[in-house]
Amino acid sequence: GENVEQHPSTLSVQEGDSAVIKCTYSDSASNYFPWYKQELGKRPQLIIDIRSNVGEKKDQRIAVTLNKTAKHFSLHITETQPEDSAVYFCAASKDSGNTPLVFGKGTRLSVIA
Amino acid sequence: DAGITQSPRHKVTETGTPVTLRCHQTENHRYMYWYRQDPGHGLRLIHYSYGVKDTDKGEVSDGYSVSRSKTEDFLLTLESATSSQTSVYFCAISAGYEQYFGPGTRLTVT
Repeated sequence: GENVEQHPSTLSVQEGDSAVIKCTYSDSASNYFPWYKQELGKRPQLIIDIRSNVGEKKDQRIAVTLNKTAKHFSLHITETQPEDSAVYFCAASKDSGNTPLVFGKGTRLSVIA
Repeated sequence: DAGITQSPRHKVTETGTPVTLRCHQTENHRYMYWYRQDPGHGLRLIHYSYGVKDTDKGEVSDGYSVSRSKTEDFLLTLESATSSQTSVYFCAISAGYEQYFGPGTRLTVT
């Protein structure tokens, strides 16, 4: 089955700097890659996703890139702010959607003011 | 919040007792999921449902059972709770590709 590896497990950046979180997946049939943000004590919230027919997607300060050949995808956050501090999870799934997600183990991002 | 609620939100129970967690959704989504979240493990799939009375096992299904007798409710049962089942449990629904989570249930087994 699918296996998703996520790095780093913790990341500290200065406010205003960029943060990059990387994930690799094992199943070449996977075609949907979402990213979730989870604040302390809250539910995971979908922040951005990408499908295998595109290589990059941006939404304001966040972007996701996908390299299907290498089977890895990354989350980029620019101009980080203290409210970006949270745990971020990548995930992968396949087929036509409505299939269970396989999650990475998460990255704890701390933005230092 | 995609119309998802979970009950109870917090529960403390003793080893060996049965426990049922409820997930309720108001938007008639066909697919529903139960995950558990533990430090260092991320979110792991327990069971999922693809319709009324249609369920399948996930990665960590041992010790858990589920039922879905109507579209809006997906129940997770721990037949005999163990300390290793202390965790935060999240229900989720999928709307096409996107998956949305409920607020979670924190379960402590003493």
